Amino acid sequence: NAGVMQNPRHLVRRRGQEARLRCSPMKGHSHVYWYRQLPEEGLKFMVYLQKENIIDESGMPKERFSAEFPKEGPSILRIQQVVRGDSAAYFCASSPPAGNYGYTFGSGTRLTVV
Amino acid sequence: AQTVTQSQPEMSVQEAETVTLSCTYDTSESDYYLFWYKQPPSRQMILVIRQEAYKQQNATENRFSVNFQKAAKSFSLKISDSQLGDAAMYFCAYRSADGTSGTYKYIFGTGTRLKVLA
Repeated sequence: NAGVMQNPRHLVRRRGQEARLRCSPMKGHSHVYWYRQLPEEGLKFMVYLQKENIIDESGMPKERFSAEFPKEGPSILRIQQVVRGDSAAYFCASSPPAGNYGYTFGSGTRLTVV
Repeated sequence: AQTVTQSQPEMSVQEAETVTLSCTYDTSESDYYLFWYKQPPSRQMILVIRQEAYKQQNATENRFSVNFQKAAKSFSLKISDSQLGDAAMYFCAYRSADGTSGTYKYIFGTGTRLKVLA
């Protein structure tokens, strides 16, 4: 039973380009969460999605960031026109409904904007 | 809004000794979950232990145990018989038990870097 799969593991983008981060949840998990980790900091919540629905996007920047979790395929976190401040590790986690036993995290995508 | 505070940026422990990592939190909720996650250099977030607020008994997982003081809003992690493989960042996290708001997001502390000395 594969865990949460994130790809790519590392992503380098020039300022102004688009970044697409992918997350495939664990089998049987219908809830996906995205978090951002800046260097030497904890994880900050960005968005919580279920299939075809955004449940909570209170942590998402208002501009340039979007997320989706389609009926088929992985969840995508999309960052348009990246800036140096977007450089961070982006983690995806998944859980079954009412994830009382804690998330399962992916290994993260480290985005570097040059 | 809930907050989680880890006041120890870094801790060191001798191999085979015991170390305690501190975590305090603030909430007005009565029911919630608390977690400790370990993040080694590989960056993978690994669940170490969880505690349900309505349970008075402290959670234990092998060499890892917590001291949960609900009134004091304190949730410390004790690692016994420390091993070199325990070296990592440790994050404390809070999650509301009330899913009626439609969200199960976690609030993380800023982490404690644990060094294990041979």
